[in-house]
Order: sequence, then C-alpha cells, then structure tokens
Amino acid sequence: DVQLVQTGAEVRKPGESLKISCKTSGYRFSTNWVAWVRQMPGKGLEWMGMIFPGDSDTSYSPAFQGQVTISADTSTNTAYIQWTRLKASDTAIYYCARLSESPKSDFENWGQGTLVTVSS
Amino acid sequence: EVVLTQSPGTLSLSPGERAALACRASQSVDSLYLAWYQQKPGQAPRLLISGASGRATGIPDRFSDSGSGTDFTLTISRLEPEDFAVYYCQHYGSSFWTFGQGTKVEIK
Repeated sequence: DVQLVQTGAEVRKPGESLKISCKTSGYRFSTNWVAWVRQMPGKGLEWMGMIFPGDSDTSYSPAFQGQVTISADTSTNTAYIQWTRLKASDTAIYYCARLSESPKSDFENWGQGTLVTVSS
Repeated sequence: EVVLTQSPGTLSLSPGERAALACRASQSVDSLYLAWYQQKPGQAPRLLISGASGRATGIPDRFSDSGSGTDFTLTISRLEPEDFAVYYCQHYGSSFWTFGQGTKVEIK
C-alpha cells in the first residue's frame, strides 16, 4: 500500500523557520513527483509546488515561488517543505501528495496533513 | 492559468437522490487532465476520478464524470450517507495544477 505520513501539528511565532516532512512508502519514491498543497482555514486547495526526488527537479506555483523550499531525501523516501520566515498568513493545513506517473496530472495519494499555526 | 469555477457552492440533498456537480473552466481543456476529489471534514482529500484513468481504486460506480471543453460534471447517482462531503475539480496543464473552489454536498 502507498502511504504518505506527515509531521504532526506545529506551532511557531512569526519570523521563525519551519521544516515539515512527508515520509513515503509502498512505491518507488525516486520516480514519482511529490507535491505540496495548502488549505487555509475553511478554504479550498492550492497547489504550491513539487519535486521529482530522482533528480531533485522542482516546480513551484508562482504564488509560492520564493516563499517555500521543497526538497527530498531518497535515502529515507521523505519529502520536505520549509519556510525561513513564517507569517501569520502561513497558518494552514499542508498536505503532501504523490502525483500519478503518466500523465502526472492527478494527486493519487495524500498524506494526512500537517496543521501549521503561526501566532505570536 | 486555467481558472475552475464550481457550482453550486452548496447542494442540499437527501440520501438516495442524484447529485450533479458542475465545474467550468475559463478556457477549453482536455478532459484527460480533469480530475475530481472528495474531502470529508478533518480528512485529507482523496482522488475519486481521474480524467486519464477513470475511477480510482475502491470508488463505487455511483460516481461518474462527464463533459468536454469548458463544462464538466461529477454525478453521484444515488447519494449514500458517506457521500456528504466537499468535492473539488482539478486541472493539470502547462506544468500548473489548479483546483476549483469546491462544492459542499450536505444533507437536506
């Protein structure tokens, strides 16, 4: 079974940094794109960006370019997303998701989500 | 960037009724790259139907999709209690992924 298991809930202050993880299993990590999706409180889904772990190729939504960094570790089959300076507006649930192989059009499997709360 | 607009925002129906959820794209899109997701409260979204490969594993055949060009529909033939949730359409194109704003299907 494909599984994506994410970091538990995090609370930070504005200006702090954060890195959350998405540990995968049940498929070949290096050959599937892994994406991150944001869901702000009571709102819909937004694609943030993604990584191809095999060569660390990344693609970001213009809305999130420069705001977050996505990375992956093929030795542990884990994807990451990080912030260097959090803002209150980063408060949201963040999901990782495995994209379909070909075409890479659908978010086939999802992590359980990580709630990030940024508050002073 | 393709913008997806879902309607209605909320659909109030009773179990056993048929639900038709609309998704309109701001420009013509290939149905191969149009997918549907279900999200229940406190849960992650899950893929229901892929334009490329049909119903996802374990999705019952009361869920179906249709449409072309700019207008797409997710149909639930007979609502079961577990179907009351929020549904999102999603498009992939030109290395960009977009979601509609969602339709909530609630119990009438």
